Amino acid sequence: GAVVSQHPSWVICKSGTSVKIECRSLDFQATTMFWYRQFPKQSLMLMATSNEGSKATYEQGVEKDKFLINHASLTLSTLTVTSAHPEDSSFYICSAREDGARSSYEQYFGPGTRLTVT
Amino acid sequence: DAKTTQPTSMDCAEGRAANLPCNHSTISGNEYVYWYRQIHSQGPQYIIHGLKNNETNEMASLIITEDRKSSTLILPHATLRDTAVYYCIVRSNAGKSTFGDGTTLTVKP
Repeated sequence: GAVVSQHPSWVICKSGTSVKIECRSLDFQATTMFWYRQFPKQSLMLMATSNEGSKATYEQGVEKDKFLINHASLTLSTLTVTSAHPEDSSFYICSAREDGARSSYEQYFGPGTRLTVT
Repeated sequence: DAKTTQPTSMDCAEGRAANLPCNHSTISGNEYVYWYRQIHSQGPQYIIHGLKNNETNEMASLIITEDRKSSTLILPHATLRDTAVYYCIVRSNAGKSTFGDGTTLTVKP
C-alpha cells in the first residue's frame, strides 16, 4: 500500500524558535496533502490543505503566517511552525491524496510528528 | 462534507465480532463512507470505504444501509490489537477528511 512518511517523528524546541516538519509520499504522487493537529485526548483537527505549486488553503482560525506550508513537489509538503510557543505543542499529522489512481481518491496518513515546545 | 455521529465508546470481547455504528443522515450522493482507526500516538490507519454497496476486505466489513444514512463497521474476530479509536468519515472524491470524535473500542480478554 501507499506510504506517507513524516520527519522528524518527534522534536523538542525552545519557545520562539521555528520548527519544520516534512511530509513525503514515498511511492505515489500527491498534488494535494493535508495537515492536521491533534491535542491529547482530542480528535484530529484539519489545519490546511496543501496544493503543489500553489498557496495552501487554511481552515478558519488557523494563522497562515504562523503555520507556513510549502508544497514544493508532488511528493513533499512541509509545515513550518514559526515562533513556536508551548501552546503549539501537539501531534501534527499529514495525509496525502493519491493522484487519480482510483475513483475514490485515497488519502493516506503519515505516522505523525510530536512537537514539544519548552 | 457531511457530518457523522458515532458512540463515544464500546467494549468487545476478544474473539467476538465488533460492530461499530455510524450515522451520516446528511450524506450526499457523491460522498463515500470511510473508516479509519488510530492507535495511540500513531497516524490514522485506513480500514475500508464504500459508496453504497457493502464492502469486505482482509481487515473488516462495511455494511451501508440502503438509504445510506448509516453504516456499520464489522471486525469479525476482534483481537486485543484492535483496541483503538475508530473514525467514520464521509467525504466526496475531492473532499477533505473531517474527523469527528470517533468511537473508542476496547477489546477485552
